[in-house]
Amino acid sequence: QKEVEQDPGPLSVPEGAIVSLNCTYSNSAFQYFMWYRQYSRKGPELLMYTYSSGNKEDGRFTAQVDKSSKYISLFIRDSQPSDSATYLCAMRGTGTASKLTFGTGTRLQVTL
Amino acid sequence: EAGVTQFPSHSVIEKGQTVTLRCDPISGHDNLYWYRRVMGKEIKFLLHFVKESKQDESGMPNNRFLAERTGGTYSTLKVQPAELEDSGVYFCASSQDLGKSLAKNIQYFGAGTRLSVL
Repeated sequence: QKEVEQDPGPLSVPEGAIVSLNCTYSNSAFQYFMWYRQYSRKGPELLMYTYSSGNKEDGRFTAQVDKSSKYISLFIRDSQPSDSATYLCAMRGTGTASKLTFGTGTRLQVTL
Repeated sequence: EAGVTQFPSHSVIEKGQTVTLRCDPISGHDNLYWYRRVMGKEIKFLLHFVKESKQDESGMPNNRFLAERTGGTYSTLKVQPAELEDSGVYFCASSQDLGKSLAKNIQYFGAGTRLSVL
């Protein structure tokens, strides 16, 4: 069983829709949770970064972490065609346990 | 400020040949990471340098892979001899430190080197 599970999609939504992306994980040691966005032929780019449980909002993006359920989410409001990309969840432990464990990524297509 | 830079962007080699990938981290970042994505799979950790020292090399697949970071600046990842299953995209990332500051331990990624072993 993978440490991080993520639905690979693809997910296709119309412009303006609310998008919900999710990951589940099994390792209780994970304390830092990230969402990266990756455009084709580019490297992952950090979108959201949270520590432990709770919500974090940044513009049209909201990240949620529920450690009791080992479940994290990324919501995108008012989705735009420029949001079309692969979204990767990633997580890590504390201190020197800094290696990131990734989900497989969800490919999102926002259509006009 | 320049981001993480990787060379080459794409490499095509034959099985049994040697390939060396290079990563230049963001200036001042002590931590340098190598990751790999094999087709259809998730990005997986290979190893982590703190300055010139290997902090964690638990993800290195076998002894055909050799990573170095002489002087604590740029890093190279050599694959010798390359096998078909080594094909994939190799990413390098760097971060400033490992402390509690979220901003300082963000890992910034390069665009990757796409390795094709034929």
